[in-house]
Amino acid sequence: AQSVTQPDIHITVSEGASLELRCNYSYGATPYLFWYVQSPGQGLQLLLKYFSGDTLVQGIKGFEAEFKRSQSSFNLRKPSVHWSDAAEYFCAVGAGGTSYGKLTFGQGTILTVHP
Amino acid sequence: GAGVSQTPSNKVTEKGKYVELRCDPISGHTALYWYRQSLGQGPEFLIYFQGTGAADDSGLPNDRFFAVRPEGSVSTLKIQRTERGDSAVYLCASSSIRWETQYFGPGTRLLVL
Repeated sequence: AQSVTQPDIHITVSEGASLELRCNYSYGATPYLFWYVQSPGQGLQLLLKYFSGDTLVQGIKGFEAEFKRSQSSFNLRKPSVHWSDAAEYFCAVGAGGTSYGKLTFGQGTILTVHP
Repeated sequence: GAGVSQTPSNKVTEKGKYVELRCDPISGHTALYWYRQSLGQGPEFLIYFQGTGAADDSGLPNDRFFAVRPEGSVSTLKIQRTERGDSAVYLCASSSIRWETQYFGPGTRLLVL
């Protein structure tokens, strides 16, 4: 069974600073990997996804993530954080086989941005 | 276009009661998913429909939980004999093909007293 670990429950950065949110997954085959963002009172919004190909993927709002098979990681990065990026971020892995749509989420990382 | 909608947005019920939660997916999306998000946790998969049939219901915690999608569009998650531990936000998502990007609704916050 697949699993996702987000080691950091809460991260605080200053506006304009760079950001890296960590994600480690466990899955036997080539994973489908996702990052979602959840703002208070909002639904989950997809930031980016990795299915295959280039291991550096670009997403919305200036985010990017790099798939590293050797480290079983899919870390999310942003070079300069804006106050509006404050939210909770979830990494997820998608199953293959007959359950492509069954996403397994990490427990999330809450991002606080200081002015 | 319209996104995924869920009703009600909030539901308060008493222990032992029956509740129904509704999800309206994006028009034309054939796959529909239910997740449950407890406080401080990530969403947890419950069930996924491809068309009218449940393709994977391995996440349903017990037989008090049941979901239907009779016409391949709207889905209803049904919880019998609710328990306080069922309190959570229930999320619905839909996608155009089963491995395609999932679009999430705002969720139904269920509180069992």
